[in-house]
Amino acid sequence: QQQVKQSPQSLIVQKGGISIINCAYENTAFDYFPWYQQFPGKGPALLIAIRPDVSEKKEGRFTISFNKSAKQFSLHIMDSQPGDSATYFCAASKPGTSGSRLTFGEGTQLTVNP
Amino acid sequence: KAGVTQTPRYLIKTRGQQVTLSCSPISGHRSVSWYQQTPGQGLQFLFEYFSETQRNKGNFPGRFSGRQFSNSRSEMNVSTLELGDSALYLCASSLLSSGANVLTFGAGSRLTVL
Repeated sequence: QQQVKQSPQSLIVQKGGISIINCAYENTAFDYFPWYQQFPGKGPALLIAIRPDVSEKKEGRFTISFNKSAKQFSLHIMDSQPGDSATYFCAASKPGTSGSRLTFGEGTQLTVNP
Repeated sequence: KAGVTQTPRYLIKTRGQQVTLSCSPISGHRSVSWYQQTPGQGLQFLFEYFSETQRNKGNFPGRFSGRQFSNSRSEMNVSTLELGDSALYLCASSLLSSGANVLTFGAGSRLTVL
């Protein structure tokens, strides 16, 4: 059962544009929502994360928007750069006995054209 | 500070064989998680070990097993390999075992089953 759905599957943006990736989750027990960035030949790396008690979190050009009632969250990349070209994964985890287990979305391959 | 080291990086096996993959976590990290990454299924959680104990297990058959040693290094084993086991196997370490932990991933071990 896919508990975190991510869209779009691929995204092409011009340099300087805004990249938006969306995720929706089903399990209301999730309480931590990170985004990971993966370059070819590398493992995923944490980009930014949010908890459901805030609606937005910004770190540099990266912003997470969170809508708890809709069970949706999104990543916005402002002033997108060619170096941002990578695969982005949203994820979610539960507290307690689930440990560090992350449930990932399907991934979005972002291409930023120069 | 050394990152997460996975060995081997690439390997080719034939159906029916078994394979053992190794992961050395970041020094001081006590939790090690394993994920399988495939184009069709994305990133799927295999299991997590914390202080030599399996903390959590994903929905994979019993052919997939793992262990953690007293120095936090971890191994995973896949027995009776099937073609569908071809994937990138990612190891991630974290300081503790909790949902809000930052996972640091290694570059992965790419397994090809012929």
